[in-house]
Amino acid sequence: SQKIEQNSEALNIQEGKTATLTCNYTNYSPAYLQWYRQDPGRGPVFLLLIRENEKEKRKERLKVTFDTTLKQSLFHITASQPADSATYLCALAGMDSSYKLIFGSGTRLLVRP
Amino acid sequence: GAVVSQHPSRVICKSGTSVKIECRSLDFQATTMFWYRQFPKKSLMLMATSNEGSKATYEQGVEKDKFLINHASLTLSTLTVTSAHPEDSSFYICSARLHDSYNSPLHFGNGTRLTVT
Repeated sequence: SQKIEQNSEALNIQEGKTATLTCNYTNYSPAYLQWYRQDPGRGPVFLLLIRENEKEKRKERLKVTFDTTLKQSLFHITASQPADSATYLCALAGMDSSYKLIFGSGTRLLVRP
Repeated sequence: GAVVSQHPSRVICKSGTSVKIECRSLDFQATTMFWYRQFPKKSLMLMATSNEGSKATYEQGVEKDKFLINHASLTLSTLTVTSAHPEDSSFYICSARLHDSYNSPLHFGNGTRLTVT
């Protein structure tokens, strides 16, 4: 069955460093992958989308890579700030319908001042 | 643009009662809305796809008679948790797409924290 895996352990880094989060998937070949940010008690907020034919996508301090051979996406936040502390979720279209998004369990990022 | 409003944000109800959660797209029309459920420190679990003017499509394992979905207009979908039990306590979040395109990102409401006592 389709599986999306994100590191369940929190990532704790110093302000100013680059945070790198990982999203691995199995038994699927998605046409695109999305990343969302979720703060406690709130709904997720869309950050970036990357298509299967794109190796890398950037938006301000964010960078996403997509390796369809490794079945992996990396999400980077450069020059991290305490305000970047949140849970980051990756999402793929469902196998039976591209309209449905299936989410990974998310990785919590803590940026220390 | 693309604001999704969800109400109420928190609700506490007694076991056996029903609770209705509203999801509105404030500045766009949504023919399709998605309802997710999230347990603490867990991922969002897709419950059902709400289709305007037709029946909702439920994911495997989700009881359609337990979680009633109505999508009567292009800006409103409702989820009713019927005969709620403590195990229904969870965080329910709705979402919609600004554009009816498969890769258009989802815009989420801020969720409803349901506690069943």
